[in-house]
Amino acid sequence: AQSVSQHNHHVILSEAASLELGCNYSYGGTVNLFWYVQYPGQHLQLLLKYFSGDPLVKGIKGFEAEFIKSKFSFNLRKPSVQWSDTAEYFCAVNRNTGKLIFGQGTTLQVKP
Amino acid sequence: DGGITQSPKYLFRKEGQNVTLSCEQNLNHDAMYWYRQDPGQGLRLIYYSQIVNDFQKGDIAEGYSVSREKKESFPLTVTSAQKNPTAFYLCASSIDSRAPYNEQFFGPGTRLTVL
Repeated sequence: AQSVSQHNHHVILSEAASLELGCNYSYGGTVNLFWYVQYPGQHLQLLLKYFSGDPLVKGIKGFEAEFIKSKFSFNLRKPSVQWSDTAEYFCAVNRNTGKLIFGQGTTLQVKP
Repeated sequence: DGGITQSPKYLFRKEGQNVTLSCEQNLNHDAMYWYRQDPGQGLRLIYYSQIVNDFQKGDIAEGYSVSREKKESFPLTVTSAQKNPTAFYLCASSIDSRAPYNEQFFGPGTRLTVL
């Protein structure tokens, strides 16, 4: 079955630490990749997306993600996290069907 | 103020009752979606609609029903046949589901508790 896996379910970091959240998907062919974020009490919103071109994608708030086709991965990174980055992060994949398949989500807690 | 509204924010129902969750968008988007969010399971697609008067089942459609009579509205009914209805329900829309790189925009969600 098609699936999206986020290996880290709960991550705790101190401010200024670097962040990398893993995302892997299980199927080949053309894919479109997304990272969404859900801040406490707020709507789910798009952080960044990849559908073609440069595999290193930059998003809002200093986040970036790298698409590595050979590894079926789309990991999210940020060099230095802030307390305000505390949120739940979701990786999602669209296989040209219009439907998004979401990973399980990763809860990030940043300690001030 | 453009966006997606969902009402109510919190909803309580007795077991065996049907309940309808509202979703309205003023973004002029063609496609609309309903997801269910459970802890540790991410978002799972219940139903989606690409155009008015048309909708398709998602991955977990059993026990749910929808309608799409207007472009702006996509209500979801949780029926008594849904075995585990207590969850957080999210509605989303996108310009066109046939352009898969289009992002989906999400509403604030409705938390349904069945007692």
